[in-house]
Amino acid sequence: DTAVSQTPKYLVTQMGNDKSIKCEQNLGHDTMYWYKQDSKKFLKIMFSYNNKELIINETVPNRFSPKSPDKAHLNLHINSLELGDSAVYFCASSPTMNLDEKLFFGSGTQLSVL
Amino acid sequence: QKEVEQNSGPLSVPEGAIASLNCTYSDRGSQSFFWYRQYSGKSPELIMSIYSNGDKEDGRFTAQLNKASQYVSLLIRDSQPSDSATYLCAVNRRTGRRALTFGSGTRLQVQP
Repeated sequence: DTAVSQTPKYLVTQMGNDKSIKCEQNLGHDTMYWYKQDSKKFLKIMFSYNNKELIINETVPNRFSPKSPDKAHLNLHINSLELGDSAVYFCASSPTMNLDEKLFFGSGTQLSVL
Repeated sequence: QKEVEQNSGPLSVPEGAIASLNCTYSDRGSQSFFWYRQYSGKSPELIMSIYSNGDKEDGRFTAQLNKASQYVSLLIRDSQPSDSATYLCAVNRRTGRRALTFGSGTRLQVQP
C-alpha cells in the first residue's frame, strides 16, 4: 500500500491552462506539504497544512491554490500555467508539525508546460 | 549566501571507497539536520538525522555535525554502485519557516 500517493505522475500541458495535482496519505499524519523541485534539484517548500489548516504559504504566486478537504488529502490547483512552472512537485506528510520528524514523500508529479 | 549549500557534484568515487558529502548552513540557530537520498526519478527518502555535535553512525553511514563551523557531513563507507544518487541536506531552522530548508543536493556516482 502506497503511503503518500499523488496523481498524475506526469502532466504535460500548454501555457495558460489550469491543472490540478492530487495527493492522499494513508498514514494518519496530521501535516501535509507541497514542495517544488526545480531542474537543479533544489527542493523548496510551497505550502503546508496541519489538520486542514494552512500553516505555511511561501512566496508562491496566487495562481497556485492548495486545498485540503480533510487531513488525509492535500490537492494543488494551478491556474494560468507558465513555462516557469515546469518542475517536479512533491507532496509529503509527517505525523505532526514537529520538523524533527521524518518526511514521507509521494512519488512526485513531473509538470511540463509547453 | 544560500541558506543551505552543497556542492552539486558529481562526486565520483570507486566502489569500496569512502564517499564524503558536505553541507554548510547559514542560520547559526539551526537545531537539527537531515540527509535525504534521492534516486534519479524517485522521491527523497530520509537516511540520517543528527541533532548534536559529533558523529552519528548507522551501518555504513556516518553523519558529522559541527555547529560552531555550521557544517554537516555524510560519510558513506564501502560505497556501492547502489549508493549512486543525489544526497540532499536539510536543516530545521529554529526561527523563520516552519518547514525544512533543503540544499540543492550533491550527486554521487560510485564507479564499479
